Amino acid sequence: GAGVSQSPSNKVTEKGKDVELRCDPISGHTALYWYRQSLGQGLEFLIYFQGNSAPDKSGLPSDRFSAERTGGSVSTLTIQRTQQEDSAVYLCASSLNWGNSGNTIYFGEGSWLTVV
Amino acid sequence: QKEVEQDPGPLSVPEGAIVSLNCTYSNSAFQYFMWYRQYSRKGPELLMYTYSSGNKEDGRFTAQVDKSSKYISLFIRDSQPSDSATYLCAMSSFTGGGNKLTFGTGTQLKVEL
Repeated sequence: GAGVSQSPSNKVTEKGKDVELRCDPISGHTALYWYRQSLGQGLEFLIYFQGNSAPDKSGLPSDRFSAERTGGSVSTLTIQRTQQEDSAVYLCASSLNWGNSGNTIYFGEGSWLTVV
Repeated sequence: QKEVEQDPGPLSVPEGAIVSLNCTYSNSAFQYFMWYRQYSRKGPELLMYTYSSGNKEDGRFTAQVDKSSKYISLFIRDSQPSDSATYLCAMSSFTGGGNKLTFGTGTQLKVEL
């Protein structure tokens, strides 16, 4: 597709269950980011991947959160043992590369997660 | 205290008005400043990008950065109902990597007919 694609677009899960969120970046983009957007909190950086380099995981809120990027393309964000405070929109973004300021970052439409 | 502060609004203006949106920040290392527009249930899209202090104009949009005051603004001239959205400021430092962004909470704007 032409843009960043995320799935599922909506997910309702029970507290304690694991969830996987998928991101397919724009073809040819080497940098991929995950952000979380909670009501009234703005976008919070979670993790980024740049090519084959080790990911920057500094924004992950707890060890229940993990992400991987296979083959330098598709990424999966996994939340284990979900809690109600994990309810948020999880936004994936990609750009041509990392560390080149002004390099346009394109966001997907997000995965809306509700933990009940 | 948050690194980036932004009035959440909502801000309601009549069509044709000039809109002023603002953010303040505390991290003096921020060098790159951006404004994103986010429509309901959509991802943010980049509107304006500015490096360091100064002004940048693009059509009806003008971005201003005052690093001495740690204050950035976005002006929208001749506002249209299609401008109704949430506007997010974002910024980053050179040491943090150009694209590791810190966002404001967003200002909700409604332009009424």
